[in-house]
Formats: sequence, C-alpha cells, structure tokens
Amino acid sequence: DAGITQSPRHKVTETGTPVTLRCHQTENHRYMYWYRQDPGHGLRLIHYSYGVKDTDKGEVSDGYSVSRSKTEDFLLTLESATSSQTSVYFCAISDSAISYEQYFGPGTRLTVT
Amino acid sequence: GEDVEQSLFLSVREGDSSVINCTYTDSSSTYLYWYKQEPGAGLQLLTYIFSNMDMKQDQRLTVLLNKKDKHLSLRIADTQTGDSAIYFCAESSGTYKYIFGTGTRLKVLA
Repeated sequence: DAGITQSPRHKVTETGTPVTLRCHQTENHRYMYWYRQDPGHGLRLIHYSYGVKDTDKGEVSDGYSVSRSKTEDFLLTLESATSSQTSVYFCAISDSAISYEQYFGPGTRLTVT
Repeated sequence: GEDVEQSLFLSVREGDSSVINCTYTDSSSTYLYWYKQEPGAGLQLLTYIFSNMDMKQDQRLTVLLNKKDKHLSLRIADTQTGDSAIYFCAESSGTYKYIFGTGTRLKVLA
C-alpha cells in the first residue's frame, strides 16, 4: 500500500470553528489531492497540488483552502466549518506520468454540529 | 460538463459472476479506472484500461471498454463474500484530474 496517512481520522466540531485536516505521504509523489465523499455524489475534488506551494481548485472548493509547504504534507483547512461540510474527506497521491493512477488514504470522517 | 454514471446496487450469489457497469460522457477520456472501497476504508485501485484497448484481464477481473458507446464494465468471476464493497469507476482525459462515478454497492449473498 502507498504510504499515506490522514489525521485526525475522526473529528466532531461546532459550526463556525476552523478545522485543519492533514495528509502525509512517504512516497515522494508530486501530486496530492483532497476529495470529499458524500452519498449520491461519489468523490468530488476539492483542491489539488502539483508541487510544493503549487495548488489549484477543484469542483467544490468554496469554503476550503489548502497549503503545501513540503512535498510530504498537504493540509486542508475549513476556515469556518458549516454543517454542509460534514463528510468523509480523502487524500490521494499520484506520480505516474503514464497512467495517472491515484492512491488513497484511509479518510477522515468530519462531523460539524 | 463531464459525467460518469453507475447503477447504485448489485446483488449476486457467491460463486456467480458480477458485472458492474459504467457510462461516461467525456469523449477525450484517456484512462478509465476501477476502484474498490470496503467499509470504513479508502479507495483501492483495482485496475485501469487505456482508451485504445477493448479488454483487460487481471486474474478474476475483466474490464471491457466500448469506446463508441462510452461504456465500461468490470466483471468479477467467481464472486466471493470478500468482494462485497462499493465499486467506483473513474475517468481521466490524460491529466491528473479524475471524474468519479457515484459508486455501485455490490452485495454478495452466501
């Protein structure tokens, strides 16, 4: 399995509080992604990174920001959490310039009350 | 925009073959992928197929691609209870950005 960890694995927070989720990889892969998974929607891309300090928005980026100061770490921040951001968040990494396959972390279940 | 569609549920008996279907709209899709998600876990890459291929076989898994109809299928031979999971198809148009389907929940009956 690809060396990807996510922390925390579970979090309950209150509406309006800031939350930061961390993704850490030991594979030295260039690309890193944050997705959210919701019933009926599959996985939707929030933000992705194509290198240190290089990030771009995905299809559901509103209310989220990201940072990548080191190759191995990709942080997802909810500046002011809302109940609509209750979801399971997955980090993924990729480095293949041939088949673009992505490898996923174990996920973080976030509940905003 | 691009879309990937899957049926929501499939139920099969242990030992039978399972066929999970997926349709996509992006005609520039270059790679198509199948992922498996077990309860409480992340997505595990099962296999992928390049768009210039019609079929790919990997042990019990067979992927069929009909590019004309934009239809992808995953066949699991001799389905076991351990195959019970959610299966996602995804497509990429030759970049690192994927479009995922909504997932098909496979239930294997003993």
